[in-house]
Amino acid sequence: AQSVAQPEDQVNVAEGNPLTVKCTYSVSGNPYLFWYVQYPNRGLQFLLKYITGDNLVKGSYGFEAEFNKSQTSFHLKKPSALVSDSALYFCAVREATDKLIFGTGTRLQVFP
Amino acid sequence: DAGVTQSPTHLIKTRGQQVTLRCSPKSGHDTVSWYQQALGQGPQFIFQYYEEEERQRGNFPDRFSGHQFPNYSSELNVNALLLGDSALYLCASSLQGVRRTGELFFGEGSRLTVL
Repeated sequence: AQSVAQPEDQVNVAEGNPLTVKCTYSVSGNPYLFWYVQYPNRGLQFLLKYITGDNLVKGSYGFEAEFNKSQTSFHLKKPSALVSDSALYFCAVREATDKLIFGTGTRLQVFP
Repeated sequence: DAGVTQSPTHLIKTRGQQVTLRCSPKSGHDTVSWYQQALGQGPQFIFQYYEEEERQRGNFPDRFSGHQFPNYSSELNVNALLLGDSALYLCASSLQGVRRTGELFFGEGSRLTVL
């Protein structure tokens, strides 16, 4: 079965500093990987995806993610964090028929 | 361009009751998936509907059922509610076929509280 793991329940970073939210995956075959963000009491918003091609994927709101096949990782990054980036972030892997398997989520807290 | 819309946004039920949640997909999308997100957890796949049929189902009991209508909108029904059914229910839409992009678009969710 395919799965993703988010090893950190919470990540704290100061505004203006770079941020990284970690995700590792376990899949058979080529991985289709996604990042979503969830603000309090809201649904999930799509940030970016990796299907194939360049290992560095650029997404919404200045976020990017680096696909690393040898380390089976797909970490989310942003060069300069904003307080408004504070939210819950989910990594996900897609199975056939567009079913997503989500990680447990990482809460990002950006301090002014 | 309307996104995914869900109703109701909040509802409270008692154990043993039945609930129906509704979803209209993003304009142009033909596939609807339902997810359950318990407090502090990631969303869990319930099932997916395409061409008015359940195409795939997650590890949920038969108390959870659904339907897709010809206009692609969908309903999620839960019978004999349990306390553990309290959660945020998310609807997601996507597009199959040659215009498929792979990502899901989510609604704001319906928060169900079972007392």
